[in-house]
Amino acid sequence: AQSVAQPEDQVNVAEGNPLTVKCTYSVSGNPYLFWYVQYPNRGLQFLLKYITGDNLVKGSYGFEAEFNKSQTSFHLKKPSALVSDSALYFCAVRGDILTGGGNKLTFGTGTQLKVEL
Amino acid sequence: GAVVSQHPSWVICKSGTSVKIECRSLDFQATTMFWYRQFPKQSLMLMATSNEGSKATYEQGVEKDKFLINHASLTLSTLTVTSAHPEDSSFYICSGRGRGSTDTQYFGPGTRLTVL
Repeated sequence: AQSVAQPEDQVNVAEGNPLTVKCTYSVSGNPYLFWYVQYPNRGLQFLLKYITGDNLVKGSYGFEAEFNKSQTSFHLKKPSALVSDSALYFCAVRGDILTGGGNKLTFGTGTQLKVEL
Repeated sequence: GAVVSQHPSWVICKSGTSVKIECRSLDFQATTMFWYRQFPKQSLMLMATSNEGSKATYEQGVEKDKFLINHASLTLSTLTVTSAHPEDSSFYICSGRGRGSTDTQYFGPGTRLTVL
């Protein structure tokens, strides 16, 4: 069974400071990893994904994430946080069907990011 | 990224009535569509997966006769909550994914259902 852990319910950071939202995963075969952001009463917006290739993935709004196979992690980062980045962030994993993974995305429990002035 | 729309964005209905929620992929063909339910301050719970032209596959614990899913075309899926009750009140989110195995899943904006 595949799973995702987001160990922090909330992350607080000052505007202009770097931010990190943590994510670790467990999946059969090669992982497909995703980050989504959710604003209040809205659906999920896609930020970035890792399928293969460079471990550092760049996405929307200046976000990036680093895939670390040995630590089974896919932490989301941004060099300089903005107040408008305040939202709920979800990490998700799906297995590679060709290597025994499933068809479904499994989500973490979400991390509330709060960026303050 | 690709766009998925949902209609209505919110609905209030009386207990015992049925409600239909539409999910459309606007600029891509969604071979597979997913329906999720989200409770306040919680993660998304997958309800069912549907492939175009096939019957939906429901997750354990989800009543297929209560949550009817139709995926009639590559751009439209519908979720009908039959004989709704207050405990069905929730935020329902759909998503679509294209044919490729590495394709991203794109989400709709969600539908807030309140059953009185």
